[in-house]
Amino acid sequence: GNSVTQMEGPVTLSEEAFLTINCTYTATGYPSLFWYVQYPGEGLQLLLKATKADDKGSNKGFEATYRKETTSFHLEKGSVQVSDSAVYFCALKSRVDYKLSFGAGTTVTVRA
Amino acid sequence: DAGITQSPRYKITETGRQVTLMCHQTWSHSYMFWYRQDLGHGLRLIYYSAAADITDKGEVPDGYVVSRSKTENFPLTLESATRSQTSVYFCASSDYGSDQETQYFGPGTRLLVL
Repeated sequence: GNSVTQMEGPVTLSEEAFLTINCTYTATGYPSLFWYVQYPGEGLQLLLKATKADDKGSNKGFEATYRKETTSFHLEKGSVQVSDSAVYFCALKSRVDYKLSFGAGTTVTVRA
Repeated sequence: DAGITQSPRYKITETGRQVTLMCHQTWSHSYMFWYRQDLGHGLRLIYYSAAADITDKGEVPDGYVVSRSKTENFPLTLESATRSQTSVYFCASSDYGSDQETQYFGPGTRLLVL
């Protein structure tokens, strides 16, 4: 079946530091890949996505590239801000149905 | 533009009681989902629905019941609450036909079962 593995947190960074959150997946076929973000007390919202190999999703300074050869979709941001403190979820959706499979989530705290 | 709302936002109940969590979306999305979020497990799908009167089990359906008599509503009922059902519950909706796979999430309901 489909599964997503992402690096465990929590991750604590200083403002303007570089952030990487690793995500690898197992799926049949060619899934679509997503990063969702959950700010404190809120629901999840889509951060970025990629639907085919070598696609790069980007939003709010975050980027992730769909790497089929390594089955990975690592999230990066070059200079984090305090407002980036949140829980980040990697997820995939297979082509054959409309269900999402989520990773366990990574809590990121950015200190001023 | 209310989007997707959940009620109540917080609920405390006792073991054995029936609890219903409400979910309402204003977009007329065809697909709706219920997830539970537990530390270390990410989000796990409980039930989903492709349209009114069409529902199906997800990964962890035991102890839950859903219905979808109207497109905009998707209530989740815990028939006899147990402590293991203490969790944060998220409802989501999507219109895969037009929005290219994005799911939109509600703010969540925090449920404590004593």
